[in-house]
Order: sequence, then C-alpha cells, then structure tokens
Amino acid sequence: GAVVSQHPSWVICKSGTSVKIECRSLDFQATTMFWYRQFPKQSLMLMATSNEGSKATYEQGVEKDKFLINHASLTLSTLTVTSAHPEDSSFYICSARDVVQSADTQYFGPGTRLTVL
Amino acid sequence: AQKITQTQPGMFVQEKEAVTLDCTYDTSDPSYGLFWYKQPSSGEMIFLIYQGSYDQQNATEGRYSLNFQKARKSANLVISASQLGDSAMYFCAMSSNSGYALNFGKGTSLLVTP
Repeated sequence: GAVVSQHPSWVICKSGTSVKIECRSLDFQATTMFWYRQFPKQSLMLMATSNEGSKATYEQGVEKDKFLINHASLTLSTLTVTSAHPEDSSFYICSARDVVQSADTQYFGPGTRLTVL
Repeated sequence: AQKITQTQPGMFVQEKEAVTLDCTYDTSDPSYGLFWYKQPSSGEMIFLIYQGSYDQQNATEGRYSLNFQKARKSANLVISASQLGDSAMYFCAMSSNSGYALNFGKGTSLLVTP
C-alpha cells in the first residue's frame, strides 16, 4: 500500500518555541492532507484539512495562527506549532488522500509525539 | 453533523475466538464511507476495512468483516479467529463526500488472552 511518512517521530521542546512537523506521501501524490491530534487515551480529532496550493481549512476551536499549515507540493504538508505550551503536548497524525485511487482512500502517517516542557 | 458512537470502552476475547466490536453512526449525508482502524501501542493507524454507504454487500478483508446494517445505522467489526497480535485500540470512523476527512469514534480497547 501507499506510504506516508512523518518527521520527526517524536520531539521535546521548551515552552515558547516553535516546532515543525512534516508529512510526506512517499509514492503517491496527495492534493489533500489532513492533520489530526490525539490526546492520551482519547480519539483522533481533526484539526485541519490541507489542500495543495491553497489555504488550509481549520476545524472549529483550532487556532490557525497557532497551528500553521503549509501544503506547498503534492507530496508535502507541514504543521508548525508556534509558541508551543505544555497543553499542546499531544500525538499529531497526518493522513493523505491519494488522487489516483478512490476518493475514500486515505493513508496515515506514523504520527509525531510532541512533548512541551 | 456526523456522529460516531462506540459504546464498548474495552473488550476481552480468548485467542481463536471471534469478537464483534460495535459502532453506530448518525449522519444526514446521503453518501458516506465507514472505516475501521487498528491502533497498536506504537500509535500508527492501520487501515482494516471500508464500507461504502451504497455497497450492497458487507465488506470483508481476511479475518475482518463489517456487519453493515444501514437501517439501524450500525457498522460493527467482526474479527474471526482472534490472535494475540490483535490486542490494540480499534476505531470506527466515517467520511462524507463533503470533505473526505474522517470523524472517529472514541475507540474500543481489545485484549486477546491466551
């Protein structure tokens, strides 16, 4: 199946710093990528939909100035957590939609575990 | 708005037995997709099975089958011949044609015992 990578797999940072997470589709093109957040022992919650070449669409309650999303190419989307605080500590997972395959084919990255001290 | 409900926070099953994980949903979209994902402790989301709302037959993928009852708005996952490696969190999810993003249920933790 198709492969989606995320980098880094885990990151620890100090409060107030910014962290960039990359999501790459390795063997297919993805016009649409999704960013989810998962707190411990909870479900995945959609944060935003990232479309190549256009602005991301954020879910209600997600601060777009805090979680900057850039989808500059058909294989790369980045999520930057700006001025991170301990409450931003979470598991961030991206998924990518394959434009060639069926509209319902989504592939998930392995996730990035962010810890803000 | 869509809603996915998984009422079983945890389930136990003995190795080699079958187990059913429940999922009910609510949506006003005429066309939608239903998914099941497995999430082991490593955190990766592993796709298991997909059912389209217009599919006439229940989806099957190896030991996984989806018991789709559209009138009852349920999409239960059946795992046959459970294996120790099946122990994980299982999430039911739904997509719609309006955006393709997935809306997840709260998950069911499955523990397979020897």
